[in-house]
Amino acid sequence: SAVISQKPSRDICQRGTSLTIQCQVDSQVTMMFWYRQQPGQSLTLIATANQGSEATYESGFVIDKFPISRPNLTFSTLTVSNMSPEDSSIYLCSVRGSTYEQYFGPGTRLTVT
Amino acid sequence: GQNIDQPTEMTATEGAIVQINCTYQTSGFNGLFWYQQHAGEAPTFLSYNVLDGLEEKGRFSSFLSRSKGYSYLLLKELQMKDSASYLCAASNDYKLSFGAGTTVTVRA
Repeated sequence: SAVISQKPSRDICQRGTSLTIQCQVDSQVTMMFWYRQQPGQSLTLIATANQGSEATYESGFVIDKFPISRPNLTFSTLTVSNMSPEDSSIYLCSVRGSTYEQYFGPGTRLTVT
Repeated sequence: GQNIDQPTEMTATEGAIVQINCTYQTSGFNGLFWYQQHAGEAPTFLSYNVLDGLEEKGRFSSFLSRSKGYSYLLLKELQMKDSASYLCAASNDYKLSFGAGTTVTVRA
């Protein structure tokens, strides 16, 4: 299975600021995704990070709020822009490699004050 | 759209068997995932079913019926460490739609 790391593991940010979360995988993967898990809730897909092109966003999520980069097959970033307390959540990177299995990174716990 | 339903909570005794059901209605479907999530941790992959039938992996088994939009996760010989949330997720082009999760509590 792929080993996935995320930075930072947690952060406390002030409203109106932005935070960039990094996701690094130890091997090349075909697909990378970003999910959000709000307190007490299940996971919601934000977007698919596409290598070399713009990310594909799910309904309710837009590029201006959640810009995503994926410069190569092992790395992606998610930025949470102009944060508000409603953005307090765990943000998780997920990858799919050469098999059907999909794995999640350890997550980034964000608190916006 | 996606609609994934699973029970909110289940309680069972150590050593027993628990079956967690999941029904799904999706606009596209290419597989059903089950994940385990302990409090404060990321989800851990348990199983993936794309064909009808039962997949067995140690103490955990997963079943899928595509025609019925139904899956279950079977946990055998329950251990205290199995107390966790279990997430059912339907895959559409490998984009996962998750149910709300089933919290399983294992009692001694």
